[in-house]
Amino acid sequence: EVQLVESGGGLVQPGGSLRLSCVASGFTVSGHDMHWVRQAPGKGLDWVSVSITTGERYYSGSVKGRFTISRDNAENSFHLQMNGLGVEDTAVYYCARERAAPGLDFDLWGQGTLVTVSS
Amino acid sequence: QSALTQPRSVSGSPGQSVTISCTGTSSDVGGYNYVSWYQQHPDKAPKRIIYDVTQRPSGVPDRFSGSKSGSTASLTISGLQAEDEADYYCCSFAGKSTFTTFGGGTKVTVL
Repeated sequence: EVQLVESGGGLVQPGGSLRLSCVASGFTVSGHDMHWVRQAPGKGLDWVSVSITTGERYYSGSVKGRFTISRDNAENSFHLQMNGLGVEDTAVYYCARERAAPGLDFDLWGQGTLVTVSS
Repeated sequence: QSALTQPRSVSGSPGQSVTISCTGTSSDVGGYNYVSWYQQHPDKAPKRIIYDVTQRPSGVPDRFSGSKSGSTASLTISGLQAEDEADYYCCSFAGKSTFTTFGGGTKVTVL
């Protein structure tokens, strides 16, 4: 079955760190740009970061310098290292696959993992 | 504040048509034919229903259609059904500096 499964969410104090993982099955991540998208409680979707197959990485302005995306093609997975977390980072974090074609759209999403930043 | 502007809510009776607008700029919606739309039911992951402005993935009912004029994209749901009640988000490529941006979302209510 083609799917993405996130893990690593949880409760963390402000200023803390957390590492999210997304394991793919049914396809190889090496052939796709892979993204993280988050959704704060009751709010809309918010793009976070992308790991491009060429090795390039991009971040939204709100997380640049604090979050790091990485991929492990051997493990068919990718990750989001989140440092310096603030309450504004509280959200469900989804990993998403970008369709392997010119353009930008997310054709496969994980179920999401909840990150709660609170003291 | 989202970079792409959507109405917060739209509603319609079963069988009617509703259209959701998504307004951006020449740096995103107006500059690329890479607009996609996502449907999200409560406590579920988003699901792609339109990509490349007008393309519908296999398995998505043909009552969903997309279009674009200038810097405004639109999603039309024709023949509204109860299961279409959900939140809908537009998304556009916005160049390598911003990369991508979502609209704020529109709640569709079936009366």
